[in-house]
Amino acid sequence: QKEVEQDPGPLSVPEGAIVSLNCTYSNSAFQYFMWYRQYSRKGPELLMYTYSSGNKEDGRFTAQVDKSSKYISLFIRDSQPSDSATYLCAMSIPPGNQFYFGTGTSLTVIP
Amino acid sequence: DVKVTQSSRYLVKRTGEKVFLECVQDMDHENMFWYRQDPGLGLRLIYFSYDVKMKEKGDIPEGYSVSREKKERFSLILESASTNQTSMYLCASTSPGDSAEAFFGQGTRLTVV
Repeated sequence: QKEVEQDPGPLSVPEGAIVSLNCTYSNSAFQYFMWYRQYSRKGPELLMYTYSSGNKEDGRFTAQVDKSSKYISLFIRDSQPSDSATYLCAMSIPPGNQFYFGTGTSLTVIP
Repeated sequence: DVKVTQSSRYLVKRTGEKVFLECVQDMDHENMFWYRQDPGLGLRLIYFSYDVKMKEKGDIPEGYSVSREKKERFSLILESASTNQTSMYLCASTSPGDSAEAFFGQGTRLTVV
């Protein structure tokens, strides 16, 4: 079993839709939870990160962590064509900060 | 603006060649990582380094080596390139402790023919 599981998609939604991206994990030692966005032919860039259970909001993006269920989600409200990218979840165990990535979900927002 | 810079965006090499991929970061980060990214497999860790002259094997180190002679530079070496090493290679750096963010370079798309 992989440490981090992520639905690869692809996911295709109309502009303005709410998007839900999800990951599950097996290692209860993970303490940091991150979402990266990767545009085609570019390196990943950090979108959001949190280290506690609950919700964290940043504009149209909300990251949700449920440590009891070992489940994290990223919600995108009012999705835009510019949100079309691959979204990677990642987790780490401090202090070494070795990262464990999901395989990524490809999202296309259709105008 | 923080930066991780990889020396090449695209490389084409022949089977059996020795290939050097260079990565430089300007954030004074202790930790540096090399990943390869393949469709359906996600990011797989090749090697990482916690300090100068230090290296640790990741999940898929076979066929690769690394060098970290200076804090800001982490090089990935393909000793004898093979076609199954055709991939996107990503370098990342972090500072240990509270900051969990990994900063990535733009990636090097390597094709071995």
